[in-house]
Amino acid sequence: EVHLVESGGDLVQPGRSLRLSCAASGFTFDDFAMHWVRQAPGKGLEWVSSIGWNGGNTAYADSVKGRFTISRDNAKNSLYLQMSSLRAEDTAFYYCAKDIGSLIEGLRGFDSWGQGTLVTVSS
Amino acid sequence: SYELTQPPSVSVSPGQTASITCSGDKLGDKYVCWYQQKSGQSPVLVINQDTKRPSGIPERFSGSNSGNTATLTISGTQAMDEADYYCQAWDRVVVFGGGTKLTVL
Repeated sequence: EVHLVESGGDLVQPGRSLRLSCAASGFTFDDFAMHWVRQAPGKGLEWVSSIGWNGGNTAYADSVKGRFTISRDNAKNSLYLQMSSLRAEDTAFYYCAKDIGSLIEGLRGFDSWGQGTLVTVSS
Repeated sequence: SYELTQPPSVSVSPGQTASITCSGDKLGDKYVCWYQQKSGQSPVLVINQDTKRPSGIPERFSGSNSGNTATLTISGTQAMDEADYYCQAWDRVVVFGGGTKLTVL
């Protein structure tokens, strides 16, 4: 059974940094692209970033480009999101999600999601 | 940037058919996925690549996509189907629709 567990969410001040992690199990991690999706409390889903199976290709939403960095360690079955220059509007639950395929180009669907980790940016 | 538009809310009586639309420019030329998110839970993929149902998704869920509109159809809607539904497409990056709250009453 696929299992995705996010961690690292916290209350941080504007302008500070935070690193989220996602521990994956139950599937061959390096066969699949992975994604981060966020959801502000009471709001809709917003795609944040994607990374291909080998980490060679990445993509970012305009709202986080230049501030967030996605990475993965296939040896540790882990996905990461390094967030810097955090803003109040980055406050949200952050979900990691597994792709059906290995590439970030095109769309096959996100077939497994974690339970989310809450990031709150406030002074 | 590419945008997907969904109605904020749809209501349906139990046992009836619910249709949730998702509109975007030439959406029919792209693959669309649909996600169900129940209150307090993580999203679940219910339709991928326009019409495919992942394993474990009931047959009452179906999808179509043509022209500028994709549609998620739930036949014989049950109370358990009450949730928020999001469409998703890819236009050089991943895009989500704003979500539709389905009320079964």
